[in-house]
Amino acid sequence: AQSVSQHNHHVILSEAASLELGCNYSYGGTVNLFWYVQYPGQHLQLLLKYFSGDPLVKGIKGFEAEFIKSKFSFNLRKPSVQWSDTAEYFCAWRGQGGKLIFGQGTELSVKP
Amino acid sequence: GAGVSQTPSNKVTEKGKYVELRCDPISGHTALYWYRQSLGQGPEFLIYFQGTGAADDSGLPNDRFFAVRPEGSVSTLKIQRTERGDSAVYLCASSLSAATGRNQPQHFGDGTRLSIL
Repeated sequence: AQSVSQHNHHVILSEAASLELGCNYSYGGTVNLFWYVQYPGQHLQLLLKYFSGDPLVKGIKGFEAEFIKSKFSFNLRKPSVQWSDTAEYFCAWRGQGGKLIFGQGTELSVKP
Repeated sequence: GAGVSQTPSNKVTEKGKYVELRCDPISGHTALYWYRQSLGQGPEFLIYFQGTGAADDSGLPNDRFFAVRPEGSVSTLKIQRTERGDSAVYLCASSLSAATGRNQPQHFGDGTRLSIL
């Protein structure tokens, strides 16, 4: 069965530190990958998505992700985090019919 | 504009009771998805509709769960004989279409937090 793994459960950073959150997926076929963010008390929001083409994808709020096919990875990065980036981050792979297979999530806490 | 609306936002009920959770998708979105998110986990797929029909219900955990979308818009997730293990946040998402093209992001509602006592 297809699965998505996120390596870190909880990441704590200081403001201005660089961020990288790991994501690995198990399926080797058509790749549609997403990162969603859930700010405290809010609904899931799309950060960025990859379907094909340039493996370096830029999203909203300064986030980017790199698709590395040989490593089955789609890691999320941000050069300099802010306190407002405190949230839970979910990597997801899109299966048939559009259903999303989510990782278990990574909670990011940014200290001011 | 209006996003995906889910009601109620919170539901507390006793074990064994029947519950209905409602999802009102974004107008014009033909694809509708239900997910369940337990504490400390990512959302898990339950079922999705393309129009009025359930195109994939492979994620429903057992026959106590079913969902309908009779007019291709609002959907109701129904849980019979609730159990404590059903406690979770139930999320609904909609997209323009599941069938045509791949570049159709899903828009999520705020969810219904279901607590079974």
